[in-house]
Amino acid sequence: DAGVIQSPRHEVTEMGQEVTLRCKPISGHDYLFWYRQTMMRGLELLIYFNNNVPIDDSGMPEDRFSAKMPNASFSTLKIQPSEPRDSAVYFCASSLDRKQETQYFGPGTRLLVL
Amino acid sequence: AQTVTQSQPEMSVQEAETVTLSCTYDTSESDYYLFWYKQPPSRQMILVIRQEAYKQQNATENRFSVNFQKAAKSFSLKISDSQLGDAAMYFCAYADYGGSQGNLIFGKGTKLSVKP
Repeated sequence: DAGVIQSPRHEVTEMGQEVTLRCKPISGHDYLFWYRQTMMRGLELLIYFNNNVPIDDSGMPEDRFSAKMPNASFSTLKIQPSEPRDSAVYFCASSLDRKQETQYFGPGTRLLVL
Repeated sequence: AQTVTQSQPEMSVQEAETVTLSCTYDTSESDYYLFWYKQPPSRQMILVIRQEAYKQQNATENRFSVNFQKAAKSFSLKISDSQLGDAAMYFCAYADYGGSQGNLIFGKGTKLSVKP
């Protein structure tokens, strides 16, 4: 299996622009998670999906952030408008089954908002 | 709320030696899972080892083993015969998946350096 795939790997944008991060989970995995990693706050869960349905989005910072999962093999995390404080590494992870508990992470997207 | 604490921001070990990374957690749950993830400079998060709380036997994966002390809420990672490729950030993580919880709660990480 190719593992969790994320794109782009790096993104540099200017404040106010829209940013879209993409994720393809491991085939057959029912759960998909979006995390954000910063030096100040470490790794934080933003949102997770089960069978394409958002279950918990309490970690989404504010309305500028939105996430979708239109099908089992694709998810997006969108920031509109972006701000410099959104600069971070964004990880997507997937897991086969909730009780199995092991999440497999993608390589991450490093976002820099100028 | 559950918390995970890694009290060692940085650690250093000589190649071929053994090093232990510490992790403590706080929870009122009885059924949960604990993990160690490795993050090398490439930033990829790689699962190193996991432990189910109901299992008394400590998990092992080749050179990696844990010392799980449930009563003390301690979950340390031992790396034996350290190799240069072990140099990375190591994150301890907790998950109980009770109720609507579905996420991993991570510690702040320990940066491990391996000296040749």
